[in-house]
Amino acid sequence: GAGVSQSPSNKVTEKGKDVELRCDPISGHTALYWYRQSLGQGLEFLIYFQGNSAPDKSGLPSDRFSAERTGGSVSTLTIQRTQQEDSAVYLCASRTSGGQETQYFGPGTRLLVL
Amino acid sequence: DAKTTQPTSMDCAEGRAANLPCNHSTISGNEYVYWYRQIHSQGPQYIIHGLKNNETNEMASLIITEDRKSSTLILPHATLRDTAVYYCIVPQNAGNMLTFGGGTRLMVKP
Repeated sequence: GAGVSQSPSNKVTEKGKDVELRCDPISGHTALYWYRQSLGQGLEFLIYFQGNSAPDKSGLPSDRFSAERTGGSVSTLTIQRTQQEDSAVYLCASRTSGGQETQYFGPGTRLLVL
Repeated sequence: DAKTTQPTSMDCAEGRAANLPCNHSTISGNEYVYWYRQIHSQGPQYIIHGLKNNETNEMASLIITEDRKSSTLILPHATLRDTAVYYCIVPQNAGNMLTFGGGTRLMVKP
């Protein structure tokens, strides 16, 4: 079946501009995660949505970062006033509800801030 | 939270078994061990997970020691396309956010 999809695949923007990154989770998956991965680094957790519960925003690095999940499905990660240090691969993952279900990742969006 | 320790890199000959070790000596009784891999420029790919018993699927086998303090991922017949960074993870918070450490960079050579 269809996996997690993300768009755009690549995004180049100028410092100070706002960007929106989209994630379409696997159908029926109630949990959705955003991570980012800087060049050569491990994954950094950003935010987690579970059903209708309030999202866990503990990983967002600054108030320039925000995310929404509409209708319990598609999610958008917004970065306002982008900085060069925001350049990274932004990864989305989804899973079914419960404690140990596997997270499935999308291909990521490669963001470059010039 | 249980942390994991993996060798930084390993080589394997094409067609041979690749055995990737992982130490997780502080794992608690109800925590699972997950393995993912990341091929260059792609998102992480789920491989396998287990709790106590050894597991096998179409991609790999997972051998977990009886004391659960370590595990080994086995790729029975490595191919060049298995060249990737392999991550052994014990998820925080009952399956919530994943913490990827450095992983093991597996190089499969012809």
